[in-house]
Amino acid sequence: GAVVSQHPSRVICKSGTSVKIECRSLDFQATTMFWYRQFPKQSLMLMATSNEGSKATYEQGVEKDKFLINHASLTLSTLTVTSAHPEDSSFYICSARAGTSGMISYEQYFGPGTRLTVT
Amino acid sequence: QKEVEQDPGPLSVPEGAIVSLNCTYSNSAFQYFMWYRQYSRKGPELLMYTYSSGNKEDGRFTAQVDKSSKYISLFIRDSQPSDSATYLCAMSVNRWGSGYSTLTFGKGTMLLVSP
Repeated sequence: GAVVSQHPSRVICKSGTSVKIECRSLDFQATTMFWYRQFPKQSLMLMATSNEGSKATYEQGVEKDKFLINHASLTLSTLTVTSAHPEDSSFYICSARAGTSGMISYEQYFGPGTRLTVT
Repeated sequence: QKEVEQDPGPLSVPEGAIVSLNCTYSNSAFQYFMWYRQYSRKGPELLMYTYSSGNKEDGRFTAQVDKSSKYISLFIRDSQPSDSATYLCAMSVNRWGSGYSTLTFGKGTMLLVSP
């Protein structure tokens, strides 16, 4: 099956610093990538959707200046958490989809997640 | 009312039991229904998907969708300790004109299968 990797798997940073998380599709070209955040015992909450070469679309309530998303190539998307605060501590999961059909979204493959802890 | 409701559990069963996991939803526009399995500190893994109402079987797993009741189920037969994980239901919402559709997830049900 399609493989999506994330790096790093775990990161601890100090409040006020920025953290970059990479998401790669290893064996397919991802025209669309999604970034989710998951708090303990909570559902996955979609943060933003990005299509290769264009600006990301953020969900309501997600600060685009705080969570910078870059989808520069068909295999790589990055999420940068700027000026991180303890409340940003969470499990961040990316997902990639190969098709461009807006009607079939089940072909969405998830990365293993990145646990961010802001001290 | 949340769009997708799912009992968080935990649901504890002995090995070999039949497991029933369920979700209800409020948005009648949902067309695609998925079940994901998520092991601790890992990303979700797609188990099954169904379109509209009906049943779909894959090995020990059966997915059921009842759109009239806005209710979906995942059945696991002959459950194994390796099935212990959190099971998330998800549904797709089509955003007309935006060129993509997104998944709305339930909170997930933690399943514990004891040997």
